[in-house]
Amino acid sequence: KNEVEQSPQNLTAQEGEFITINCSYSVGISALHWLQQHPGGGIVSLFMLSSGKKKHGRLIATINIQEKHSSLHITASHPRDSAVYICAVIGDKLIFGTGTRLQVFP
Amino acid sequence: DGGITQSPKYLFRKEGQNVTLSCEQNLNHDAMYWYRQDPGQGLRLIYYSQIVNDFQKGDIAEGYSVSREKKESFPLTVTSAQKNPTAFYLCATSRGGRETQYFGPGTRLLVL
Repeated sequence: KNEVEQSPQNLTAQEGEFITINCSYSVGISALHWLQQHPGGGIVSLFMLSSGKKKHGRLIATINIQEKHSSLHITASHPRDSAVYICAVIGDKLIFGTGTRLQVFP
Repeated sequence: DGGITQSPKYLFRKEGQNVTLSCEQNLNHDAMYWYRQDPGQGLRLIYYSQIVNDFQKGDIAEGYSVSREKKESFPLTVTSAQKNPTAFYLCATSRGGRETQYFGPGTRLLVL
């Protein structure tokens, strides 16, 4: 079993829909990253959080340390949000999930 | 223009050849990392360096080598001992070991 699990693996949505991507982990962590990887391969860090909730534009990330779970929400999704979203946890080392591929259609 | 540059974007290697992937940063970050990404798998750590002239093996170091002679540069050599080198390679940097990591654009390596 992977130490970091993401769901769903693939997600399609119509423009404007509310999106939720989930990340569960089984190790002790000090913080959690949400990353975005575009089709060209480049990776951008969206959030690093260790408790509660963070918001940036249409993106919201939450984490529940007791339940070892984090969610990434996208409000009013847009085709330009199409990417792979990766969860990574910082414990003794950085452990990456396998990613959620999101496609948003107009 | 600040950031992390990786070159080349695409690299073709013949079997039995060593190739070196470049990673340069002007963010003045102490820590640098090399990751490998394969389809359907999370990023896996190859090597990392927290300071100049020092580096540590990651989870999949076999068949790879690195050097850290300058703070700005952390080249990765894929040797002929790496039996399955075709992958996407990402370099990352951070201020320190548990800080946010910033990623380069990646190099896609293909073995002919």
